[in-house]
Amino acid sequence: DTEVTQTPKHLVMGMTNKKSLKCEQHMGHRAMYWYKQKAKKPPELMFVYSYEKLSINESVPSRFSPECPNSSLLNLHLHALQPEDSALYLCASSLRTVSTNEKLFFGSGTQLSVL
Amino acid sequence: AQSVSQHNHHVILSEAASLELGCNYSYGGTVNLFWYVQYPGQHLQLLLKYFSGDPLVKGIKGFEAEFIKSKFSFNLRKPSVQWSDTAEYFCAVISNAGGTSYGKLTFGQGTILTVHP
Repeated sequence: DTEVTQTPKHLVMGMTNKKSLKCEQHMGHRAMYWYKQKAKKPPELMFVYSYEKLSINESVPSRFSPECPNSSLLNLHLHALQPEDSALYLCASSLRTVSTNEKLFFGSGTQLSVL
Repeated sequence: AQSVSQHNHHVILSEAASLELGCNYSYGGTVNLFWYVQYPGQHLQLLLKYFSGDPLVKGIKGFEAEFIKSKFSFNLRKPSVQWSDTAEYFCAVISNAGGTSYGKLTFGQGTILTVHP
């Protein structure tokens, strides 16, 4: 299994809603990432988890709250989002983060629309 | 801070034409370089990567890229494109800052390639 699975594929939410994005991998990877990709823009790093601990937060607003309950799962909890948060949210994983010789495996993403 | 620049936003070619997509990065230390491809409606996939050794790297689907350290470039090439190569192509870099890296890929702006049959 060399896949990173993200659910849901599409999500529409209002600014007062609370929702969660989910990401799962069974490759034994110990580093997991959230990226945000706006239309016609490159992916931008949001968070990095290494061995289930948050190691990087790229100054992401607190309305985005990541969670890594175990080595296979990564969640992104959403609350009080703004319309400008509408984007494709990509999850990725790699074997570990301490080396530069790492290949990232990306999921298909969750297309989020905030109304 | 590292940055990646892709010269062309949109490239339009006919089938069998040769392709070269430009990529330059701005970081003086050790870097690892990648090209990712995103086909319409699909997730990012790794085309090829350069870590060390032979600066000419070959990837999947007939793509290759050449790392020229003196020019801070990592251009992607394919001798003969096919309609199925229509996609968006992203150059990306991880810098080896202080001997460690945490997977902070920095992507270029992307180049949309349209291949007409």
